[in-house]
Amino acid sequence: GAVVSQHPSWVICKSGTSVKIECRSLDFQATTMFWYRQFPKQSLMLMATSNEGSKATYEQGVEKDKFLINHASLTLSTLTVTSAHPEDSSFYICSASAGDHYEQYFGPGTRLTVT
Amino acid sequence: GQNIDQPTEMTATEGAIVQINCTYQTSGFNGLFWYQQHAGEAPTFLSYNVLDGLEEKGRFSSFLSRSKGYSYLLLKELQMKDSASYLCAALDSNYQLIWGAGTKLIIKP
Repeated sequence: GAVVSQHPSWVICKSGTSVKIECRSLDFQATTMFWYRQFPKQSLMLMATSNEGSKATYEQGVEKDKFLINHASLTLSTLTVTSAHPEDSSFYICSASAGDHYEQYFGPGTRLTVT
Repeated sequence: GQNIDQPTEMTATEGAIVQINCTYQTSGFNGLFWYQQHAGEAPTFLSYNVLDGLEEKGRFSSFLSRSKGYSYLLLKELQMKDSASYLCAALDSNYQLIWGAGTKLIIKP
């Protein structure tokens, strides 16, 4: 149980375009979803936390208008990287937690390359 | 401020035992997690400690001392597949995970 999927697993896009990444909890209802970014050989960096039906809470330094997060249902959250630039190239990972269980279940990650 | 400290890199020999330490300073404390992350993959859950003491799970054990703000992950009978980064994360009073930078464990034959 507690499976989280992400789609796509990797994507290459041109500078200036937008990319949408989906995160789904397959067998549980995720009250909270988290979006992380990880650059090579660095640790996870939390970008934002979202609860179903409410606006996401962004970490300091993360641009809300550039990284649009939607948590429309208890099983789906999306991250849209708008007007992507090469410096946005990174490994984006989502995770989800349910109710009072604070363990985070991670998706497999999405590797974004902006050319 | 909130802070998690763990060694950047450790090396151990196949078949041996290794202990990865983690110290934390957080605003409140609601438990400590250890995750394993292989290169290019997402983290996977290893353990969660909220009470003092040692939790054993197969070859992996995790220890917590709340009074010392200290935890360690103990890996026994090391296998080559254990080569990975090990992430320590503490849950603060707002139930937010504070992540360490990770310890890269290199296993040599």
